[in-house]
Amino acid sequence: EVQLVESGGGLVQPGGSLRLSCAASEFTVSSNYMSWVRQAPGKGLEWVSVIYSADTTYYADSVKGRFTISRDNSKNTLYLQMNSLRPEDTAVYYCAGAIGNMWRYDYWGQGTLVTVSS
Amino acid sequence: EIVMTQSPATLSVSPGERATLSCRASQSVSNTLAWYQQKPGQAPRLLIYGASTRATGIPARFSGSGSGTEFTLTISSLQSEDFGIYYCQQYNNWPGTFGQGTKVEIK
Repeated sequence: EVQLVESGGGLVQPGGSLRLSCAASEFTVSSNYMSWVRQAPGKGLEWVSVIYSADTTYYADSVKGRFTISRDNSKNTLYLQMNSLRPEDTAVYYCAGAIGNMWRYDYWGQGTLVTVSS
Repeated sequence: EIVMTQSPATLSVSPGERATLSCRASQSVSNTLAWYQQKPGQAPRLLIYGASTRATGIPARFSGSGSGTEFTLTISSLQSEDFGIYYCQQYNNWPGTFGQGTKVEIK
């Protein structure tokens, strides 16, 4: 059974940093599309970033220059380094795996909550 | 960016009844349309892809239809475990945008 397990969320002050992790089992991070998708409290789903192939990466305009997606193939783990955090970054962050199409998410983690507040 | 619009925002349905959810794209997405179910406190789950293909393990009471700009998700006989929020998503164009969701609640 595929499992994606996120960790690393928490409370951080505006301007601070956090690194999220997503450990995968029965799903190979290096050979599939791996994304971060977030959901602000009471809101809908918003794609944040994707990594695939030979470390090709893309970002939503709202996080470009502040967030960095990466992966450790030996650990089969996905990361999201978040710097210069803003209150509007407050959300549950899900890692999501896609097999056939970059944007169609076949598997999701349970999410980790990031709260940016002073 | 393609805008996805779902209706209604909330749908009140009695168990055993049929539920019909709609999704409209601001431009044609062919059949690259997915539906996800999200229960409170849980991650979304892929239900339907390719507008009408059920994902692995999804019961036959869930069906999808449509192409181009108009899509429908039908739950033929609502069960208690089906209540939650349903999102449509186009995955034809960057960046795979979601609708705002339809909440299916108990009537």
